[in-house]
Amino acid sequence: DAKTTQPTSMDCAEGRAANLPCNHSTISGNEYVYWYRQIHSQGPQYIIHGLKNNETNEMASLIITEDRKSSTLILPHATLRDTAVYYCIVRAFSGSARQLTFGSGTQLTVLP
Amino acid sequence: KAGVTQTPRYLIKTRGQQVTLSCSPISGHRSVSWYQQTPGQGLQFLFEYFSETQRNKGNFPGRFSGRQFSNSRSEMNVSTLELGDSALYLCASSFGNSQAKETQYFGPGTRLLVL
Repeated sequence: DAKTTQPTSMDCAEGRAANLPCNHSTISGNEYVYWYRQIHSQGPQYIIHGLKNNETNEMASLIITEDRKSSTLILPHATLRDTAVYYCIVRAFSGSARQLTFGSGTQLTVLP
Repeated sequence: KAGVTQTPRYLIKTRGQQVTLSCSPISGHRSVSWYQQTPGQGLQFLFEYFSETQRNKGNFPGRFSGRQFSNSRSEMNVSTLELGDSALYLCASSFGNSQAKETQYFGPGTRLLVL
């Protein structure tokens, strides 16, 4: 799977949009972009994924650039409960490499 | 529907003992993957089971083993525990049919402390 680069930490004011960037310049055509988050000592929580089109669900929006080399996860109205480590993962489904490979992620702190 | 469940949630063992952790996947999911998470190494893949067969394996010693039952529930076993095995053990389930939009959903984890 392609490697991702994320900022180590970010702050966001409560009620504002949190925009978390991810670079994946070596992404292949068949690799999806996935986002998970992990609140301290809990299991990672799936947020959203996409291939090339922008995606939105009840939790967040995912914006993928046209060349697919980077993406941004948007939490439209951040709350204190959104404080967590956010992981961006690129992943294919072919072959035997089915496992998720998590990098260091971005520690998002939502400030009151 | 119910999410992935793991038991026990917390466990304390001593060096040399063995431990068995259990994971019940989301109903209808046939794939169960196990991960170890430590502060130093991050999240590392252990193995994946699908239809009672190990389909993929990470880079862990043979002390780490697993199995899957016909109802898709899975167990992992660690024998001869070492201090370095202290970690959060996570399992994740998915349909396992390799379709493009397959997503893994994680359980809450089992926190293992080896003394």
